Amino acid sequence: DTGVSQDPRHKITKRGQNVTFRCDPISEHNRLYWYRQTLGQGPEFLTYFQNEAQLEKSRLLSDRFSAERPKGSFSTLEIQRTEQGDSAMYLCASGGLAALETQYFGPGTRLLVL
Amino acid sequence: GDSVTQMEGPVTLSEEAFLTINCTYTATGYPSLFWYVQYPGEGLQLLLKATKADDKGSNKGFEATYRKETTSFHLEKGSVQVSDSAVYFCALGGYGNNRLAFGKGNQVVVIP
Repeated sequence: DTGVSQDPRHKITKRGQNVTFRCDPISEHNRLYWYRQTLGQGPEFLTYFQNEAQLEKSRLLSDRFSAERPKGSFSTLEIQRTEQGDSAMYLCASGGLAALETQYFGPGTRLLVL
Repeated sequence: GDSVTQMEGPVTLSEEAFLTINCTYTATGYPSLFWYVQYPGEGLQLLLKATKADDKGSNKGFEATYRKETTSFHLEKGSVQVSDSAVYFCALGGYGNNRLAFGKGNQVVVIP
């Protein structure tokens, strides 16, 4: 069990640039989740996939955000035209199909928008 | 919508002291409840969970009981160690897609 991995671990970008993050879930997990965590707050749900289908998106996920999971394995989260308010830790988690199954979190990608 | 409220502020206590972190929730239906822990420099790890009323989750000396009547899931440990210093998050998961709603977290600092 290699766990959930995320890349990069840190990203510094200038306002207006596009950034893309990658998440590799635990291999047998069908579900993949993205969360955002700002300083002093708990993680907030952004979106989740079951296999390659994106089944739910939070209202937090503006039009500048897009997530994909093309082959039902790894996922990418892209932020276009970044804003300073996008600075946060972006967390990926994966889990099995059973209802209420535990979600396993990756180490996160910390984004700083200057 | 579903939400979780954790007690305000960091918690500082001495080694071997008793720890309680309060967590209350608001939810429709019958959620599952979780405590996650984030050690310095590490990712979120599941500490314990409970899936129905009156269930008690336990792990590493920590316990929490799912109380439907008081909508609470308070975390307790009888004797903390310095290694328990971390941020603790209470979370709620609904049946179905099991997206999690987290509280703000509590920083726990254990002093030798």
